[in-house]
Amino acid sequence: TQLLEQSPQFLSIQEGENLTVYCNSSSVFSSLQWYRQEPGEGPVLLVTVVTGGEVKKLKRLTFQFGDARKDSSLHITAAQPGDTGLYLCAGALNQAGTALIFGKGTTLSVSS
Amino acid sequence: ETGVTQTPRHLVMGMTNKKSLKCEQHLGHNAMYWYKQSAKKPLELMFVYSLEERVENNSVPSRFSPECPNSSHLFLHLHTLQPEDSALYLCASSDGQTSGNTIYFGEGSWLTVV
Repeated sequence: TQLLEQSPQFLSIQEGENLTVYCNSSSVFSSLQWYRQEPGEGPVLLVTVVTGGEVKKLKRLTFQFGDARKDSSLHITAAQPGDTGLYLCAGALNQAGTALIFGKGTTLSVSS
Repeated sequence: ETGVTQTPRHLVMGMTNKKSLKCEQHLGHNAMYWYKQSAKKPLELMFVYSLEERVENNSVPSRFSPECPNSSHLFLHLHTLQPEDSALYLCASSDGQTSGNTIYFGEGSWLTVV
């Protein structure tokens, strides 16, 4: 069974703090995607990383793909209440992306 | 606006009912998906259609029946469901042709089976 382990499962922090979410697997992925989902809505794509070692930045969010393309991290700097939500990572096992496995998600709560 | 629209957003049905979920994508993609999202579980892939042909069915019970009449539309027909089928059903689409292929989700259909 191919698994994508995501940690931590829950994170509750104060506004202004930094945090990192991790996504780990024994499988090699052709690409990895990060999504953010708010209650009652579908996941919204944040970023796709393709190349081992790749780093992408989206304002206060920094995404890194491991050199071996088996793991990834999401770092948020100076978290804000608007960052609250469920963060999901998903690894593509084939080029077409039709074999996509998801982690269980990290529920982030940022209080002011 | 994500480019993938699902209807209805909420559905309550009895175990003997027959209903359908509808999905439409406006992104020009050639692959469409149904996922199931339950509490405390990872997103579960149910069906994949590529170029209107089903390419993957992850051993989903036959009480769920997908239909893909064209590359823009996807249905999930529901009949004689069980209470444990209550969940958020997410439709998604992707290009399916390019490296780094990305899946785009709809807002989901909340299903409650009573």
